[in-house]
Amino acid sequence: ILNVEQSPQSLHVQEGDSTNFTCSFPSSNFYALHWYRWETAKSPEALFVMTLNGDEKKKGRISATLNTKEGYSYLYIKGSQPEDSATYLCACDMDTGRRALTFGSGTRLQVQP
Amino acid sequence: NAGVTQTPKFRVLKTGQSMTLLCAQDMNHEYMYWYRQDPGMGLRLIHYSVGEGTTAKGEVPDGYNVSRLKKQNFLLGLESAAPSQTSVYFCASSNLGSRGDTQYFGPGTRLTVL
Repeated sequence: ILNVEQSPQSLHVQEGDSTNFTCSFPSSNFYALHWYRWETAKSPEALFVMTLNGDEKKKGRISATLNTKEGYSYLYIKGSQPEDSATYLCACDMDTGRRALTFGSGTRLQVQP
Repeated sequence: NAGVTQTPKFRVLKTGQSMTLLCAQDMNHEYMYWYRQDPGMGLRLIHYSVGEGTTAKGEVPDGYNVSRLKKQNFLLGLESAAPSQTSVYFCASSNLGSRGDTQYFGPGTRLTVL
């Protein structure tokens, strides 16, 4: 069983604050790390996929980094807005022969106006 | 394109009843997945399929069966529902499997077993 851990479990910030959260995963047999954004009552939507150590991806105010040697990824949101409120999921693809992702339990972000 | 669709959206069952959840995708994806989502536990993989006619077990397969008779459809069956199967069920599909390929999710099915 692979352990994909996310912290914190939940986060409350004020509009305009920048924030970041962490996904940690086993560093051996790593293949890819995915970030998804999941709004209440909707489906998870893909944000980023990263495969190489040192990868950085950016989409608007949201960016992510990847460290495969130490087994972690950070997701950053600059100048949080109320519409950023969602659960952010990371998921790991490990080279175990099973072609499926292992998801963390998510970080629930609430941005207060 | 409708993407990934799931039917039904909601269902209430009594213990011991059976039902089938249908997932359909119109993106010609090879890989399809069934997850369940429970509070504080993220998404857990129930079963998945790497192509038409194939199925494989995920993390939590007990109590569920699946079939992939057509490439575009992936069915999840509960033969004898139990209260522990109360959950939100998500289907997903991807083109290349999880090798750096995005999974596209359906809207979910909320199942309550009384």
